[in-house]
Parts: sequence; C-alpha cells; structure tokens
Amino acid sequence: SQTIHQWPATLVQPVGSPLSLECTVEGTSNPNLYWYRQAAGRGLQLLFYSVGIGQISSEVPQNLSASRPQDRQFILSSKKLLLSDSGFYLCAWSVGRANEQYFGPGTRLTVT
Amino acid sequence: QQPVQSPQAVILREGEDAVINCSSSKALYSVHWYRQKHGEAPVFLMILLKGGEQKGHEKISASFNEKKQQSSLYLTASQLSYSGTYFCGTENTGFQKLVFGTGTRLLVSP
Repeated sequence: SQTIHQWPATLVQPVGSPLSLECTVEGTSNPNLYWYRQAAGRGLQLLFYSVGIGQISSEVPQNLSASRPQDRQFILSSKKLLLSDSGFYLCAWSVGRANEQYFGPGTRLTVT
Repeated sequence: QQPVQSPQAVILREGEDAVINCSSSKALYSVHWYRQKHGEAPVFLMILLKGGEQKGHEKISASFNEKKQQSSLYLTASQLSYSGTYFCGTENTGFQKLVFGTGTRLLVSP
C-alpha cells in the first residue's frame, strides 16, 4: 500500500531563517506531487505541483521554492522566512489524471 | 477562481441529513470532496468526473451538475464521526490541479 511521509511535524523558526520541508511517498511510481499551505482557519492554497522529476510548476509567487530530486521526493524550501509563511504545510500525491489526492500528515510551521 | 461553498457552517443532531454545495465560475472537469478534522490532514471522500463517473465513500453520496458548474455532497443519517470541515476541490483541465473551496464546518452533536 502507498504511504506518504512528511517531516518535521512541527517547526518554529525565526523570521529570516531558511526552511526545508521534506515529503516522500512509498508504494507508487511516478506520482504527481503537491505542496499546499493552509493558514489557521482557512482553506487549502496550492503552492507547487510536479508531474515528474525536475518538473515544478509554481502557483503563487512568493519566497518559497520546490524541488523534486527523486521520483518520490518533494522538497519545499525558503532562503528567508517571513511571518506570513506561518501555516500548516501539506504534501499530497496522486497518480495519473482525474484521480484522488492523498495528503501527508502535514508540518505546522510557526515563524516568530 | 476559488469555488464557493455553502453553507459556511451547519450543526446537526446525530441521524439528521445535510447537503453541502460547491459552485464554480469556471467549467469543471472534476470535483473532489475532502473532510478535514481539526489539526489533521484532509481525507479523500469522493471524486465526480465530467461525464458521470464517480469514485469514493460508500456512505456518502454526491452529485455533479456540469452545466451549472455545481456539485453537492449529501450526508445522510449523520454520525458523530462526520464532524469536521468539508472542502470541495475543483479541477478545470484534467491535469490534477485542484482549487479548493472556502470550506463548510459541520458539527454533529449527540
């Protein structure tokens, strides 16, 4: 069966510090991968998605970036965090077209 | 454009029914429904595709009106475990890029 991992689960970082969040998927090949952010009490905002290694599409211009160095690994990064980057970061995967997305457990980021 | 969900919140007694609506201003390829409990990740419930195909939860049903660009989620004989926030995600292109709705908070009480 397929599983998705995210780490860390929680993170507290000062403004201006770098960020690296990692997501890995097991049990499937060539998944579509997604990064979402959810502000407290709000909906899900798509940040990046990837249909293959090295292929990244950005949805929202910001100080975040994403990379996919391996088929089942997706990384979200920032060189300098802003207060507005606080939120619940969710990685998700799907396979093919018009198929359901499955979410990882998420990383709760607080920028102080 | 973010799809609009209604109602924003609903309170039910256990065993009662509810309908959650999702409306888009764009033509839709598919509609996905997810439930999120507080502090947890969203969980997939249903997917409805253009042309009528559906996949998903046994005890939850949904409809998709392509012409009106709307979808409705039907929760019947609600259980306490149905409590949470429901999100619809709409897809315009068939390339799995979802735009999630504003969310509907559902509370089921004993």
